[in-house]
This record gives sequence, C-alpha cells and structure tokens, in this order.
Amino acid sequence: GDSVTQMEGPVTLSEEAFLTINCTYTATGYPSLFWYVQYPGEGLQLLLKATKADDKGSNKGFEATYRKETTSFHLEKGSVQVSDSAVYFCALSDGGTSYGKLTFGQGTILTVHP
Amino acid sequence: SAVISQKPSRDICQRGTSLTIQCQVDSQVTMMFWYRQQPGQSLTLIATANQGSEATYESGFVIDKFPISRPNLTFSTLTVSNMSPEDSSIYLCSTRDRGSFETQYFGPGTRLLVL
Repeated sequence: GDSVTQMEGPVTLSEEAFLTINCTYTATGYPSLFWYVQYPGEGLQLLLKATKADDKGSNKGFEATYRKETTSFHLEKGSVQVSDSAVYFCALSDGGTSYGKLTFGQGTILTVHP
Repeated sequence: SAVISQKPSRDICQRGTSLTIQCQVDSQVTMMFWYRQQPGQSLTLIATANQGSEATYESGFVIDKFPISRPNLTFSTLTVSNMSPEDSSIYLCSTRDRGSFETQYFGPGTRLLVL
C-alpha cells in the first residue's frame, strides 16, 4: 500500500538557518503530494502541494518539488523564523482511489530558537 | 477553502462512557473524513462519510466503536463509544476542496482525554 516516510525529528535550528525536511513516498499510482503544518494547540493547515512530477509547491517561503525519479518531496526554507516552530507532515493522496485518501508521514517537530 | 469547526474543542471523559464530536462546514460538501491523531503520532483515517450513505471504515476501525452520522451536506458527527484510555487522541474532521479533488482541509480538532 501507499506510505510516506519523513526524516526523523525533532529538528532544532537557530533563526535564519536553512531548513530541509526530507520526505519520500511509495505509491502505486500517480499521487498528489502535500505538506501540512500543525502549530501548537491547533489543527492541520495545508502549507503547499504539488499534483504532478516536477511541480514545485510554495507558500510562506517554504518550497517542495515533486521528484518522481527519487519519489521525494523534500520541504525547504531558506531562512526560518521562530514562528515556524510547529509539526510538519508530509502526505500523499492516491489519485487512483475513488475518494482520494490521504496517507501521512509520521511528522517532524521543528523548533526554531531566537 | 472550506471553513470547518468542531465541538467540543476538548473534553475529559471517564472510561466506559461515549462522546459525540460535531463537525460543521461552512459550505455544502459531498465527502467528509474523520481522522485520529494519537499522542505524538501521525494522523490515521478512521472513516469517510458521504451524505446519504453508510460511512466507509478503514481497516482497524469498526462502526460499533466509531458510529458516524452524516445527516446533511454541511454536518457530521463521530461518536467514540465505550471509551478506554487508549482512545485518548485528537480527532479531526476534514473535507475536500471543491476546486481540487485531492486537497483536504481540516478542522481544529477535538482533544480527548479518557481517564
């Protein structure tokens, strides 16, 4: 079945550091890929998405490129802020099913210090 | 994107009791989803709820434990029945974006602690 694997956390960075959170996936079809963010005490928010190979999703300075050849969708940001501290989830939606079930990675806790 | 609200936002319950969680969407939607997020864990889909039909449950989840109602196109409830401490989790509902089949938007979640 489909699966998503994220880099082990937690990740601790200083403000203005470069961020990479690795995400790889296994899927039988042609999935859409997502990054969701969960701020402390809140629900999930869609951060960015990509629906086909070589697409780049971007939002709030975060970027991720859909790499079919390496089955990856790594999240990057050039300069993190304290307000980026949150849990980040990589997810895929299997376009082959009738209801587009979301499969999530295990989540990566990011803490950014001033 | 849809705006989703949930009630209650949090609750503390005794084992053996049941809790019904409400999910309200600000627009009519065909499909709604219920997820569970156990402490420190990722999200797991419990079931998919279409208006006018029985909910479809994922492997490991059964209707007797997690009955779902979907009375109209903007509302759904999830009941956690005969609770045990292992049911302590965040329960989230979601719905698909009208313009993008694959994208889901989530409610704020219901934080449940079972003692």
